[in-house]
Amino acid sequence: DQQVKQNSPSLSVQEGRISILNCDYTNSMFDYFLWYKKYPAEGPTFLISISSIKDKNEDGRFTVFLNKSAKHLSLHIVPSQPGDSAVYFCAARGEYGNKLVFGAGTILRVKS
Amino acid sequence: SAVISQKPSRDICQRGTSLTIQCQVDSQVTMMFWYRQQPGQSLTLIATANQGSEATYESGFVIDKFPISRPNLTFSTLTVSNMSPEDSSIYLCSVEGHGDLSYNEQFFGPGTRLTVL
Repeated sequence: DQQVKQNSPSLSVQEGRISILNCDYTNSMFDYFLWYKKYPAEGPTFLISISSIKDKNEDGRFTVFLNKSAKHLSLHIVPSQPGDSAVYFCAARGEYGNKLVFGAGTILRVKS
Repeated sequence: SAVISQKPSRDICQRGTSLTIQCQVDSQVTMMFWYRQQPGQSLTLIATANQGSEATYESGFVIDKFPISRPNLTFSTLTVSNMSPEDSSIYLCSVEGHGDLSYNEQFFGPGTRLTVL
């Protein structure tokens, strides 16, 4: 049973435009959500996170939005840059300590 | 973020053999985590390793197959035992944030790419 879903396997965006990556979850006990970026042959790099008590968190070009009623979060990257091309993973932290549950990932390609 | 290194970075092994992966952190951390990323899949938690206690394994993972050591607050090993081609994956260690970093977040090592023939 996939508790964290990223339904778009890939996304292609023009440089300078906005990239929107989506994530849905099923477990209402998740209290913290994170986005990671992963380049080939490297480990995931933490990008941005949001607590379940907030609906928005912004850090430079990256903004994460959380809609608890819809059990949906999204990552906005604006403006998108070619260096943003990577696999993006959504992750959620549950009620049992710091265990993270990851989505399947979305491949983002930013075209110059 | 914490500086995390893993050895080896990659290896090709024969079925039936075992491989021990090392994870070193540049500062003391309470909790370390071991994940697996199978080809084309997401990251799956194998176990949580606390110093001074036995590792806690997730459903589907057992100690006989993936024994873990945690001898101190900066180091851990994961052994993949009696390997089969299905064990071909990237194995990643991670640590929770500490110090000035939020404990809510986890930071990952570069991973060990294992291929079993």
